[in-house]
Amino acid sequence: KQEVTQIPAALSVPEGENLVLNCSFTDSAIYNLQWFRQDPGKGLTSLLLIQSSQREQTSGRLNASLDKSSGRSTLYIAASQPGDSATYLCAIPQWGNKLVFGAGTILRVKS
Amino acid sequence: DVKVTQSSRYLVKRTGEKVFLECVQDMDHENMFWYRQDPGLGLRLIYFSYDVKMKEKGDIPEGYSVSREKKERFSLILESASTNQTSMYLCASSLERVNTEAFFGQGTRLTVV
Repeated sequence: KQEVTQIPAALSVPEGENLVLNCSFTDSAIYNLQWFRQDPGKGLTSLLLIQSSQREQTSGRLNASLDKSSGRSTLYIAASQPGDSATYLCAIPQWGNKLVFGAGTILRVKS
Repeated sequence: DVKVTQSSRYLVKRTGEKVFLECVQDMDHENMFWYRQDPGLGLRLIYFSYDVKMKEKGDIPEGYSVSREKKERFSLILESASTNQTSMYLCASSLERVNTEAFFGQGTRLTVV
């Protein structure tokens, strides 16, 4: 059974820093990996989907990497801003696109 | 842009009431899902559907049922609400059964008193 772990559980950084969020998974036979953002009390916003055949995927200041052999993905956020403060979740689909989620990383960017 | 819309942001219901949570997506997606999210437990799948009138149990279906009479609409039903069903409920949709991006609604915060 796929298990997804996110480290750290929480992170606080000053504005302008580059930062890395980590996601690890136990079963390397994946279709893809998806990163989401969740603001307090709200739904999930899809940030990036990285296919199993890809090594990286970029959107603006966000860059996601995937290393299937080691069971790891990272989300790199460049030049962080207070508006980036949120919970970041990674998720891996089982067959049928049923998502298995990590517990999330709570990010706070201080101005 | 894909839009997944949940009918309510906040609901307060009494124990024993029958509760309907509605979800509509506008991108002709085949798959629709209901998750609940609780502190310390994360997101857990309640039910999902691959097609109209089809439904499959997820990891925690007890106390819930679903209805999918039209492709764009997926309803979650709490037959007799209980306080342990107080939670954030999240609807999602995706185009196909494998390897497609999932999109979520804004969430419904349900409180059962």
